[in-house]
Amino acid sequence: GQNIDQPTEMTATEGAIVQINCTYQTSGFNGLFWYQQHAGEAPTFLSYNVLDGLEEKGRFSSFLSRSKGYSYLLLKELQMKDSASYLCAVMDSNYQLIWGAGTKLIIKP
Amino acid sequence: NAGVTQTPKFRVLKTGQSMTLLCAQDMNHEYMYWYRQDPGMGLRLIHYSVGEGTTAKGEVPDGYNVSRLKKQNFLLGLESAAPSQTSVYFCASSQREGAYNEQFFGPGTRLTVL
Repeated sequence: GQNIDQPTEMTATEGAIVQINCTYQTSGFNGLFWYQQHAGEAPTFLSYNVLDGLEEKGRFSSFLSRSKGYSYLLLKELQMKDSASYLCAVMDSNYQLIWGAGTKLIIKP
Repeated sequence: NAGVTQTPKFRVLKTGQSMTLLCAQDMNHEYMYWYRQDPGMGLRLIHYSVGEGTTAKGEVPDGYNVSRLKKQNFLLGLESAAPSQTSVYFCASSQREGAYNEQFFGPGTRLTVL
């Protein structure tokens, strides 16, 4: 079966750095997405990786290793507004998105 | 641009009642999707459409029907609601299918079935 694993919840301190991991087992691979979802709101796109390596976008970076079925989202200089759930999703061989359950990130002052 | 809009935002139904959720997008996207989101689970695809007049089943289609009569609208129907359909429903759209397929989401509909 297809499976996306990510931690349920993480806590970090304002101004610090946090890494959210995602491991996947899917039928085929056509890219990995990270979305941010604030409580009670819709998911919004953060990043897309299809080749191995690091993609940097401001305070957020996303890394992919296809051979290991592994990705992480790195958030630097954490701000209170970064408190949200972070969803990992993999596009499978049928171009369907398979979603992880999300990681709830709690930022403390 | 409003992006993706959904109506209603909240709804409470009794078991056996029917309802239709409306999704509209003004980005001229070809692809539209209906997901449900339940606590502790990832988004699950109910139905999707690859263009006006087309629909296809996703991962969890039972108990739902959809229609895409106009490119900008995608309707999700519940013919006989059950408590197991209590969930948050998200509509999404994307410009095309393929490897890079950023999906834009509506604000969600929170449905409770008693």
